Amino acid sequence: GDSVTQMEGPVTLSEEAFLTINCTYTATGYPSLFWYVQYPGEGLQLLLKATKADDKGSNKGFEATYRKETTSFHLEKGSVQVSDSAVYFCALSDRLTGGGNKLTFGTGTQLKVEL
Amino acid sequence: GAVVSQHPSWVICKSGTSVKIECRSLDFQATTMFWYRQFPKQSLMLMATSNEGSKATYEQGVEKDKFLINHASLTLSTLTVTSAHPEDSSFYICSARYGGSLNEQYFGPGTRLTVT
Repeated sequence: GDSVTQMEGPVTLSEEAFLTINCTYTATGYPSLFWYVQYPGEGLQLLLKATKADDKGSNKGFEATYRKETTSFHLEKGSVQVSDSAVYFCALSDRLTGGGNKLTFGTGTQLKVEL
Repeated sequence: GAVVSQHPSWVICKSGTSVKIECRSLDFQATTMFWYRQFPKQSLMLMATSNEGSKATYEQGVEKDKFLINHASLTLSTLTVTSAHPEDSSFYICSARYGGSLNEQYFGPGTRLTVT
């Protein structure tokens, strides 16, 4: 079945540091890939997405590239801020197995950014 | 826009009682709502998918008689945990979507259920 694996946290960085959160996936069909972010006390919000191989999703300085050859969708940001502190979830939606409806999530990675 | 609320945000109940959790889309009509369950340090697990006016579709391994889902209107879905036991203690999250499968899901903030 479909699955998503992402690095365990927490990840603690200093402000302005470079961020990478690794995400790899296993899917039966042709997945779309997502990164969601959950700020304290709030619901998950879509951060960025990519629907096909080599697509790059980007938003708020975050980027992730859909790499089919390595089945990866790593999240990166060049310079993190304290306000980026949150839990980040990698997810996929497989049109073949879930009709595009079902989201399969990774375990989430907590990011803490310190001054 | 696209705000989803959940009520209550946390609840403590005694073993054997039932608990109802509400999920509301505040500024849009949700044709489909989803219920997830999250254990500590684990991913969100989809429990069921519900469309307004029809029976929910449950994922494999989820007891539909224990987790009753009602999607009575385009802005409200409820999850009732019947005869709750301590192993039902978890974080329950709903999401809502309008339109077809290409539209993203909007998530509620979650409800922490503790069964004593």
